[in-house]
Amino acid sequence: RKEVEQDPGPFNVPEGATVAFNCTYSNSASQSFFWYRQDCRKEPKLLMSVYSSGNEDGRFTAQLNRASQYISLLIRDSKLSDSATYLCVAGGSYQKVTFGTGTKLQVIP
Amino acid sequence: ETGVTQSPTHLIKTRGQQVTLRCSSQSGHNTVSWYQQALGQGPQFIFQYYREEENGRGNFPPRFSGLQFPNYSSELNVNALELDDSALYLCASSLDRGLEKLFFGSGTQLSVL
Repeated sequence: RKEVEQDPGPFNVPEGATVAFNCTYSNSASQSFFWYRQDCRKEPKLLMSVYSSGNEDGRFTAQLNRASQYISLLIRDSKLSDSATYLCVAGGSYQKVTFGTGTKLQVIP
Repeated sequence: ETGVTQSPTHLIKTRGQQVTLRCSSQSGHNTVSWYQQALGQGPQFIFQYYREEENGRGNFPPRFSGLQFPNYSSELNVNALELDDSALYLCASSLDRGLEKLFFGSGTQLSVL
């Protein structure tokens, strides 16, 4: 079983739609969680950290469920520019973070 | 844009050869991590260097080695290249081994023939 699992997609959604991604992690000792965005064959860029109480940044909302060991990302009012691969990340200790395989999102006009 | 630069951008090697990839961290960042990203996969942690010492390592064999220099530039060396080493190699700089705000370079695409 992979340490961090994501549905690879692709998720094809129309502009303006709301889309949600889930991610599960197997290491219960994981302490830090993030969502990164990666455009095709470019470097990952931090989208947002994920806090236990949940957090929001504009159209993006991240949630953490420690009991079930999953993380979610909700994107509201999808834009064409949101098309990318979204990587879920769990950090167990400061020297190692584990990336999921990513979920591909394609926003359609 | 991130202040992290990697060279070269693309590289072609043959099986059995050795390769050195380079990374220049963002100014002031004392931590660098290296990742391997195969096509269709997420980045896999290779190792991290903090103040010129290895600070953690993923599940990669010893033929993957690294160096970090006082000016915070770093190298990833891979010996005895195998076909499966073909991937995008990413370095990420950060401050004080922190997990937050990893700044990635644009990567080196390595092809092993």
